[in-house]
Amino acid sequence: QQQVKQSPQSLIVQKGGISIINCAYENTAFDYFPWYQQFPGKGPALLIAIRPDVSEKKEGRFTISFNKSAKQFSLHIMDSQPGDSATYFCAAVYNQGGKLIFGQGTELSVKP
Amino acid sequence: ETGVTQTPRHLVMGMTNKKSLKCEQHLGHNAMYWYKQSAKKPLELMFVYSLEERVENNSVPSRFSPECPNSSHLFLHLHTLQPEDSALYLCASSLAGGLGYTFGSGTRLTVV
Repeated sequence: QQQVKQSPQSLIVQKGGISIINCAYENTAFDYFPWYQQFPGKGPALLIAIRPDVSEKKEGRFTISFNKSAKQFSLHIMDSQPGDSATYFCAAVYNQGGKLIFGQGTELSVKP
Repeated sequence: ETGVTQTPRHLVMGMTNKKSLKCEQHLGHNAMYWYKQSAKKPLELMFVYSLEERVENNSVPSRFSPECPNSSHLFLHLHTLQPEDSALYLCASSLAGGLGYTFGSGTRLTVV
C-alpha cells in the first residue's frame, strides 16, 4: 500500500518557469512533511518541511503548500534554474515516530 | 570528516558472495537507518536502529543482516543475494525520534 503518492514521475520546465510537484497521503497520523532533493550520485538532502498546522511555508524560491482537509501538499519552485535539475521526494513522518515514508520521486529537468 | 559516510561507493558481487556495506556518522545522532532505492520506486525502509537496538525490520529477507555495534556505525551484511537486490543502498541517521534525517551518498550494488 502506497502511503504517500507523488506526481508527476518526471517534469520538464523551462528556465525561469515554475515547477510544481504534488503529493497526497492517507494516514492522518502523519504530522511532518519534508521534501528531499537528490542529485545523481548523492543521497537525498532535506530541502524544506512543513507541519499540518501551517498552510504554506516559503524558503527562498521553494514553497510548500499544504491542504490538510484534502490531505495533499505540493512543492513549488519559482524561477526554476538548471541547477535545480534533480529528483525530488516528498515524505511524511508518523507523529513522534520519526520514521520517514517517501513518495515515488519526481525527476525534474530544467532546460536552459 | 563530517556527515554520513558510506563505503564502498560501488560494489559488484556474485550471488554466492558475502560482502558488507559500512556506514559511519559523525553527527552525534543515535538512530540509524538502511534504505533501499530502486529505479522508479519509493525509497524502501529496511531497518531502523535506535540507541543501538534494532527497532524495526520491514520484512527484509534474511540474506540482508544489519549490525549496529555503536551509535556511530552501521553495517549491512549481504550473502547469497539475487539480481533483483541490485539497487542503491542508503544509510541515514538522526536523533532518536527526531525529524532531521541526514543521508549518506549510498552504495550502488550490482548482483551478477
